[in-house]
Amino acid sequence: NAGVMQNPRHLVRRRGQEARLRCSPMKGHSHVYWYRQLPEEGLKFMVYLQKENIIDESGMPKERFSAEFPKEGPSILRIQQVVRGDSAAYFCASSREQGSGNTIYFGEGSWLTVV
Amino acid sequence: AQTVTQSQPEMSVQEAETVTLSCTYDTSENNYYLFWYKQPPSRQMILVIRQEAYKQQNATENRFSVNFQKAAKSFSLKISDSQLGDTAMYFCAFMKKRGSEKLVFGKGTKLTVNP
Repeated sequence: NAGVMQNPRHLVRRRGQEARLRCSPMKGHSHVYWYRQLPEEGLKFMVYLQKENIIDESGMPKERFSAEFPKEGPSILRIQQVVRGDSAAYFCASSREQGSGNTIYFGEGSWLTVV
Repeated sequence: AQTVTQSQPEMSVQEAETVTLSCTYDTSENNYYLFWYKQPPSRQMILVIRQEAYKQQNATENRFSVNFQKAAKSFSLKISDSQLGDTAMYFCAFMKKRGSEKLVFGKGTKLTVNP
């Protein structure tokens, strides 16, 4: 699972700024997921993407949050006008294909702190 | 909607002993997958073990095994010969077989292995 690469590992933003978190899936994986972990809590699903498509964004806040997974390059989770409540660990995960229960592998997470 | 419940917020065990972590879930699905993930102090999410609901046989990975009781919707994790490196948060997770491959996590159990 070390193959899922996230950066930056730590990010500090002032309220009102934008945060961009990047994720490169494991080699051969075309499915990317983003999860958020608030302090002392489990991970909560945010969004599921394939190349150039958002498959399920049922866990994404309606405003300020967006995600993409372009044909070339990493997946990006973008948070506009950050607030203190956005401070959390954001985990990216990837899997090989859909529908077969393939194991989902996680990256090491990106820690966002909003000051 | 699926829910996952881990009723033990914290547990401790002596090195070399055996410990069992509990997990129950609620779903109307018949086919699904269950996972245990480990999150050590480094905060990385590491897959411990995976179970397919249609398989009667309990999954085993070295010192880790599960007791999967489908009718009772129970999925406990047994760690044998506990080691200091097993100290971590352990999360139980559920994934439907059909549809979006998002994981639903429990709140976690903090396991401490004492020397």
